[in-house]
Amino acid sequence: DQQVKQNSPSLSVQEGRISILNCDYTNSMFDYFLWYKKYPAEGPTFLISISSIKDKNEDGRFTVFLNKSAKHLSLHIVPSQPGDSAVYFCAASATGGDKYIFGTGTRLKVLA
Amino acid sequence: NAGVMQNPRHLVRRRGQEARLRCSPMKGHSHVYWYRQLPEEGLKFMVYLQKENIIDESGMPKERFSAEFPKEGPSILRIQQVVRGDSAAYFCASSPRNTGNSGNTIYFGEGSWLTVV
Repeated sequence: DQQVKQNSPSLSVQEGRISILNCDYTNSMFDYFLWYKKYPAEGPTFLISISSIKDKNEDGRFTVFLNKSAKHLSLHIVPSQPGDSAVYFCAASATGGDKYIFGTGTRLKVLA
Repeated sequence: NAGVMQNPRHLVRRRGQEARLRCSPMKGHSHVYWYRQLPEEGLKFMVYLQKENIIDESGMPKERFSAEFPKEGPSILRIQQVVRGDSAAYFCASSPRNTGNSGNTIYFGEGSWLTVV
């Protein structure tokens, strides 16, 4: 049972444009969400998080949007840069829970 | 990756041998998580530990796999009698407290790549 889903395995975007990565979840108990970026042969790097009490969190070029009713979150990167090319994972956790559940990842390629 | 140390980075084992992967959490962190990434797949939760205590091992295979986080020293993920299907990247993450407190971020190490030949 995949509780966190990233339905787009890959995405290509032109440099300077907006990248939108999507994530859906099924467990209504999830109340904290994170995005990680991963380069090949490296560990995931934390990017940005959002609590369910918010619907938006922004950090520089990265913004995460949360739609609780749709059980959907998205990561916007603008403007996209070639260095953003990586695999992006979303993860979710529930208060009282003890682990983060990760999606399968979306490979972003930013074209120069 | 904020100081989570994993070693070895790369490990080659023959079928039937044992693999031991070590993880030292970030300073001040008392909670350790192990995740596995099989080729072309996402990150799968394996086990969550505090010092001297396994909190959740629901993602661990029933046989051959074990984990510990002793009072002193790193957390160890041990795989006995390795098979080719164990070849994967194993990532350790740590946090200062459990994820039951909403708003807790976990930080990953660089990973240990196990190859079984």
